[in-house]
Amino acid sequence: RKEVEQDPGPFNVPEGATVAFNCTYSNSASQSFFWYRQDCRKEPKLLMSVYSSGNEDGRFTAQLNRASQYISLLIRDSKLSDSATYLCVVRPPGGGNKLTFGTGTQLKVEL
Amino acid sequence: DGGITQSPKYLFRKEGQNVTLSCEQNLNHDAMYWYRQDPGQGLRLIYYSQIVNDFQKGDIAEGYSVSREKKESFPLTVTSAQKNPTAFYLCASSISSGNQETQYFGPGTRLLVL
Repeated sequence: RKEVEQDPGPFNVPEGATVAFNCTYSNSASQSFFWYRQDCRKEPKLLMSVYSSGNEDGRFTAQLNRASQYISLLIRDSKLSDSATYLCVVRPPGGGNKLTFGTGTQLKVEL
Repeated sequence: DGGITQSPKYLFRKEGQNVTLSCEQNLNHDAMYWYRQDPGQGLRLIYYSQIVNDFQKGDIAEGYSVSREKKESFPLTVTSAQKNPTAFYLCASSISSGNQETQYFGPGTRLLVL
């Protein structure tokens, strides 16, 4: 089982739609969770951290389910500019700042 | 402007050659990292450095070497021992190596072996 698993997509959605991505992780002792966004042929950029109680940033909502070992990202009112690959990132136990990256879920928002 | 720079953006290498990828940051970050990204795979950690004059192997260090002589700089050498070097190489940094620190990425270098 991969340490971090994501559906690669692509998810093709119309502008204004709500779309959700899930990501599962294998190590139940993982400490921190993030969503990064990566545009085509660009570097990843932090979208948001994921907190145990869930958190929201504008149109984006992230949730953590420790019991089932998954995190989710919900995008409301999607925009053309949201088209990108969304990387699920987990900090496993063991100290330090080493991160484990998922392969990413590709989102395409269309007119 | 503060940030992380990587050069060159594209790099072509002949088989059997060593090449060095540059990574510089002016964010005053202590920790720096090198990843490679291949199609269909997540980013994989090559080397990381928590402080000047110290570095550790990541998950795929074979065929690579690094140095950290200055806080601002963390160059990566891809040696001829790396059998499949064609990839997108990303450098990152964080304020420290603590558990809550966000990593920020440079724009990357695409290496192609001819």
